Order: sequence, then C-alpha cells, then structure tokens
Amino acid sequence: KNEVEQSPQNLTAQEGEFITINCSYSVGISALHWLQQHPGGGIVSLFMLSSGKKKHGRLIATINIQEKHSSLHITASHPRDSAVYICAGGGATNKLIFGTGTLLAVQP
Amino acid sequence: EAGVAQSPRYKIIEKRQSVAFWCNPISGHATLYWYQQILGQGPKLLIQFQNNGVVDDSQLPKDRFSAERLKGVDSTLKIQPAKLEDSAVYLCASSLPQRGLATEQFFGPGTRLTVL
Repeated sequence: KNEVEQSPQNLTAQEGEFITINCSYSVGISALHWLQQHPGGGIVSLFMLSSGKKKHGRLIATINIQEKHSSLHITASHPRDSAVYICAGGGATNKLIFGTGTLLAVQP
Repeated sequence: EAGVAQSPRYKIIEKRQSVAFWCNPISGHATLYWYQQILGQGPKLLIQFQNNGVVDDSQLPKDRFSAERLKGVDSTLKIQPAKLEDSAVYLCASSLPQRGLATEQFFGPGTRLTVL
C-alpha cells in the first residue's frame, strides 16, 4: 500500500473552473510536495509545505497535519494548466514517496 | 540561477548495450538524487547522494546499475547491460541539505531511454 494516496487519478475541467486535487499521507512524512509534470516534460516543484497554506499566483496548497491531508487548488483554470500533478511526501532524509499523480485536462 | 542540467535528453540503445547519463546539479546543492520514471508511473528513487557519499541506494538494481559522484558535484548513472524494462525517463534532482528537515527538490529535464 502506497504511503501517499492521491485523488482523483483523472480530472477534466472547463476553462475557468476551480480545481481541487487531494492527497492523503501516512505517519512519518513531515513535508508534502506538490509537483507538476507536463507531457514529455520535466518535473517542476510547485510547493513544499509542512503546515498551513501557501499561494503562488492561481495555485494554492493547504495541509492539515492532524488529518494528514493536503489539497492543491487551481483558481480560474486555463488550458495551459493541463498536466500531471503529483504529491509526494518527504521526511528527515528528504527521500520522497510519490503519489500516483492526477492527470488534469482543462478544456477551452 | 541555472537549473539542474542533464544529458543526453534522449537515448536509444539495444538490449545488452551499456549507457551512461550525466547530471550537473544546481550550484551549492549538496544532495543529488537519481529517479527512474516508467511511463504512466510516478518517479522511483534509485540513489541519493550527500556530497560524494551515498545516503540511500536501496532501490538501485546493483547488478546492472551504478552511479558515482566522485567530486561531490556532477554525477553519472550507468546501466550495463541494459534490459528492455529499463526503458524509462531518468530524472536527476538536487536540493540544499538541511539536517533533519525536508527541503525542496529541483528536477532536471530528464533523459528518455528507449531499449530495443
């Protein structure tokens, strides 16, 4: 059983919609990373958070330590947001445990 | 600031051949990671270096895979001999070391390996 569970696996949205991707993780993970990967492209780190909330442009990431749950939100979604979004849990050694990814398609 | 550099970007070889990948991390990043990402799956850590020492190589298939980071800066990952199932994207990442704390990892563009 993966220690990082992500949902949904696939998500299709219309341009402008508010999008939420969820991630649950197990004990031993002290930081949660949100990563973005475009088809055929490299991985870009979006956020790393251990508590609270972070915002960058139209992207917002939140984490609830007690519930071991994190969410990535995209406001006013755009077709260029189409990508795979991956959550990954990290601990003291910084070894990442990856979720299975969410394939997001934003249609114009 | 320059990002993580990797080469080559693409490589096609036949099974049983050898191949090597190169990675240059962000300047000052003491921690370097090699990941294997098979199509449709998340990345899998192969090896993690702290300077020129190995922190974790528990998932590295040591009968055919090797990696080194002799001077604690750039690194090479070698596969010898390659198998069909080694077809994947090989990602290099680096991060600043923070003892006991998680830090952000920065990824290179990856090397796409196809084994025929």
